[in-house]
Amino acid sequence: DQQVKQNSPSLSVQEGRISILNCDYTNSMFDYFLWYKKYPAEGPTFLISISSIKDKNEDGRFTVFLNKSAKHLSLHIVPSQPGDSAVYFCAASAGNNDMRFGAGTRLTVKP
Amino acid sequence: DTEVTQTPKHLVMGMTNKKSLKCEQHMGHRAMYWYKQKAKKPPELMFVYSYEKLSINESVPSRFSPECPNSSLLNLHLHALQPEDSALYLCASSQADRGRPQHFGDGTRLSIL
Repeated sequence: DQQVKQNSPSLSVQEGRISILNCDYTNSMFDYFLWYKKYPAEGPTFLISISSIKDKNEDGRFTVFLNKSAKHLSLHIVPSQPGDSAVYFCAASAGNNDMRFGAGTRLTVKP
Repeated sequence: DTEVTQTPKHLVMGMTNKKSLKCEQHMGHRAMYWYKQKAKKPPELMFVYSYEKLSINESVPSRFSPECPNSSLLNLHLHALQPEDSALYLCASSQADRGRPQHFGDGTRLSIL
């Protein structure tokens, strides 16, 4: 049962434009949401997180939005850079270290 | 450079072999994790250790045996694996508090002949 879903396997954007990656979840017990970035031959790297008591968290070019009623979160990258090209995983946990990952979205930023 | 070190990076073993995967971190994290990742799939949680005690076992077959000798080390002992166990095995660590981000190693690529 896939509790965290990323329905877009890939996304291509032009350098300098906004990248929007989406994630949906089904478990209403999730209270922490995280985004990870993964380059080939490396482990996932933590990018940004948000707790369920917030609806927005920003860190430089990265902003995560949470819509609890829709069980939806998104990651915005502005402006997108070629070095952002990677696979992005959405993850969620119910606070007990049991983290569930989405299937990932491959982002390609074209120069 | 990753702060979680996994060895070996690659491992090829037969179905009757016994081998171990190793993971080490020196960030003072008290929670450590093993994940399995198949190609084009998300990482799947296998085991969680919190303060050196096994806290989560996601119904993993007994041919995988985790061990946490101390707060910095995590091992995964392998015995009588099947070809379908071929995958990338990722180790991660985090602070033990709720919702803290996990730091991943680069994984061990395991192939079962």
